[in-house]
Amino acid sequence: EIVMTQSPATLSVSPGERATLSCRASQSISTKLAWYQQKPGQAPRLLIYDASTRAAGVPARFGGSGSGTEFTLTISSLQSADFAVYYCHHYNKWPPGTFGQGTKVEVK
Amino acid sequence: EVQVVESGGGLAQPGGSLRLSCAGSGFPVSNYWMHWVRQAPGKGLVWVSRINTDGSMTTYADSVKGRFTVSRDDTQNTVYLQMNSLRVDDTAVYFCAREWWTGYIDYWGQGTLVTVSS
Repeated sequence: EIVMTQSPATLSVSPGERATLSCRASQSISTKLAWYQQKPGQAPRLLIYDASTRAAGVPARFGGSGSGTEFTLTISSLQSADFAVYYCHHYNKWPPGTFGQGTKVEVK
Repeated sequence: EVQVVESGGGLAQPGGSLRLSCAGSGFPVSNYWMHWVRQAPGKGLVWVSRINTDGSMTTYADSVKGRFTVSRDDTQNTVYLQMNSLRVDDTAVYFCAREWWTGYIDYWGQGTLVTVSS
């Protein structure tokens, strides 16, 4: 089973600042990686797929990069709506498509 | 508009059963692989099960294998998760989700809460 490890667990950022979230896979997953945003009491929302493609309606301040085992989600200028938990998820090989443990982005 | 709506959650006793439903709207469920993902209170997302377009292929996480069964009724545009021999650690919000053809999950329902407790 491929293990996905996200860091940091919590990221404290001021509004308007840049946030950089990391996700590492225990073996190569090519670019079969998605990022999701989840707010309390809500379903996850797809932000990025294929490591770097923004989903429909996702603001341009969200960017994804990486391939193989190292991936990054960057939020260029944090808005109040962006404070949430972010999960990476690989779909290189089912089953299972494992999720990272999440990074909580909180107000500094 | 694409929507996924779960129902059927509630309180069950250890060893009991529940059946969750997942109704799709705005798209034909028959054309997509569908998933169940769960989230225990305060915890992260954990994949549970997956069913292919014609129901001939189902896969499960080791933690639910032999206890949970996923199925689909395309005439109702609905996917089901039959959960038997429930355990306290099955307590979670259960999300139903659609898989896009290239493999990633694109749409999620709002989830239904399953609580297993005596």
